This record gives sequence, C-alpha cells and structure tokens, in this order.
Amino acid sequence: AQKVTQAQTEISVVEKEDVTLDCVYETRDTTYYLFWYKQPPSGELVFLIRRNSFDEQNEISGRYSWNFQKSTSSFNFTITASQVVDSAVYFCALSEADFNKFYFGSGTKLNVKP
Amino acid sequence: GAVVSQHPSWVICKSGTSVKIECRSLDFQATTMFWYRQFPKQSLMLMATSNEGSKATYEQGVEKDKFLINHASLTLSTLTVTSAHPEDSSFYICSASTRNTGELFFGEGSRLTVL
Repeated sequence: AQKVTQAQTEISVVEKEDVTLDCVYETRDTTYYLFWYKQPPSGELVFLIRRNSFDEQNEISGRYSWNFQKSTSSFNFTITASQVVDSAVYFCALSEADFNKFYFGSGTKLNVKP
Repeated sequence: GAVVSQHPSWVICKSGTSVKIECRSLDFQATTMFWYRQFPKQSLMLMATSNEGSKATYEQGVEKDKFLINHASLTLSTLTVTSAHPEDSSFYICSASTRNTGELFFGEGSRLTVL
C-alpha cells in the first residue's frame, strides 16, 4: 500500500537558519510521482515541486532544494536561509503513475521566528 | 499556472441542512477531480475521486449518501454535504488534474461550519 510519512510534526527555527523537512514514502509501484506542497495559514495549497520515480537528480530552486533518494525511499526538502514568510505547513505527497490517487503525509509545521 | 476555484469559501449552516460546494477548473479541462477533508492541524484526507461523466470512487469510511459528488463536466465538480451535522464541520478542499501532465491544482478550500 502507498504511504507517506513525515515524522517531524513541528519545527521551529530562527530566521536565516537552514531547515530540512523529511519525507519517507512506501510504494510497490516502479513508476510514481512525489510532490511537495506548502499550505500557509490562509489555507490554500501551493505546489512546490513534482519529481518522477526515474529522476533522482536533486533540484534547486532559489532557497529551496530537494533530495530524492530511492535507496532510502526519501524525498527531503531543504530551505536555505529561512525567512518568516516560509512559516507554513508543508506536505509531501505520492501519486500513482496514472495520477488517479494522491497520498499525503501528515504535514510538517514550520515556524520561522524573526 | 492553472486555476481551480472553489465556492463558497466559507459557509455556516444549521444542522440538518444540505450544503453544496462547487469546484471549477477555470482554464483547463480536468479529467479527474479529488475531494479532500482537512481537520484542524491535520493532513488532507482523500474522500473521493471523480472522473468526468462517471460515478465517484469513495475512500473507505466515507459515506456516499452523506457526501454526494457530481462531476458533470470537465470543468465542474460539486460536493454536497447532505443533512449536515456539527461533526461535518471541516475544511473541504478540491483539486483537479489533467491526465497528460499529472499536475494537481488545488482550490482555495471551503470552510463549513455547522451549528
């Protein structure tokens, strides 16, 4: 069965610190997709990244970077030089190859203090 | 990017009434729409998946007669909470995807408060 685990319930950092959000997934599929979403206090979900199971290249987008390792079934997300505006709940998600179902982790609440 | 709009954003109703929430894809055709429920400080719980023109597939434990889903067109899906009770109070979020890209776009969410 598909499963996404975000073991960190809540993380607090001080502005400008780097922070890594962990995501571990389980699936028997060989083709799947992994996602990260941000949910600020306003509630809407913001898409951050999608990665397919055949692409293990790490990705960097500004202060955001993602580390995908199939060997450990992990898809971790790092924010460099965190800012107060990064405060939100971050969800990791897994979808089947046909995108018919998306499985979400429980989310990690990130508090960035000034 | 693609836009998914939900309406209403917040609805308060009396116990026993039915509430309809609309989810529209504004600039693309959504072959699949998903409905999620989110309790405070919790993750999104998938309620059902609907493909245009066919019946929705409900997740285990979700009452089909309680949460009616209609996906009548490629741009509109509705969730009707029938005979709502206070325990149905929650944040309901829809999302839509196109099969060819697989990207998932979320609506703004609808907060339901049942008195």
